Amino acid sequence: DTGVSQNPRHKITKRGQNVTFRCDPISEHNRLYWYRQTLGQGPEFLTYFQNEAQLEKSRLLSDRFSAERPKGSFSTLEIQRTEQGDSAMYLCASIQASPYNEQFFGPGTRLTVL
Amino acid sequence: ELKVEQNPLFLSMQEGKNYTIYCNYSTTSDRLYWYRQDPGKSLESLFVLLSNGAVKQEGRLMASLDTKARLSTLHITAAVHDLSATYFCAVDFDFGAGSYQLTFGKGTKLSVIP
Repeated sequence: DTGVSQNPRHKITKRGQNVTFRCDPISEHNRLYWYRQTLGQGPEFLTYFQNEAQLEKSRLLSDRFSAERPKGSFSTLEIQRTEQGDSAMYLCASIQASPYNEQFFGPGTRLTVL
Repeated sequence: ELKVEQNPLFLSMQEGKNYTIYCNYSTTSDRLYWYRQDPGKSLESLFVLLSNGAVKQEGRLMASLDTKARLSTLHITAAVHDLSATYFCAVDFDFGAGSYQLTFGKGTKLSVIP
């Protein structure tokens, strides 16, 4: 399978715990994006990387959130001291810059904070 | 701030009927995308529209773009049950120095009734 993969697919945690999600993009894609989607809403941009450089961060990304993309390959998104409001689907997408800039999405990680 | 508005947000239609979903956006953009999302699943790319007057068709779905009116439409012809899903439009906006972000509408939840 050469698509975008994400792990875990589901995560249930207690409020205050830390969680980390992983995204493996399509191998030749140099841009990687993280989005958050809550029920009944469209995905909201969180941050993106070009290779290993984090170029943009949304105001939604509080200081409890951190993302990395070491060596420009896979990426991790960590949420510290989780809150119930963090419950959402976290989506990763990757693209190879082109006239189309078409983003290919992974299956997502659904986070439930109890 | 870039805004993307879809209407209707909910659409219930009978099999065999035609209908159109509208997507308005507030700022000049380079690209517009349509995605499909099934319940609990990730986003599947349907169309990428690059230029004014662009029209693309795949099966019973046809998308068009009018950049002057900042309007895209997704037309459904002779709907079938398999088209039941949530459809999102998304606009690719350059925030400067080639930093593109997708801004999504809230989605249109389509239910096709036998």
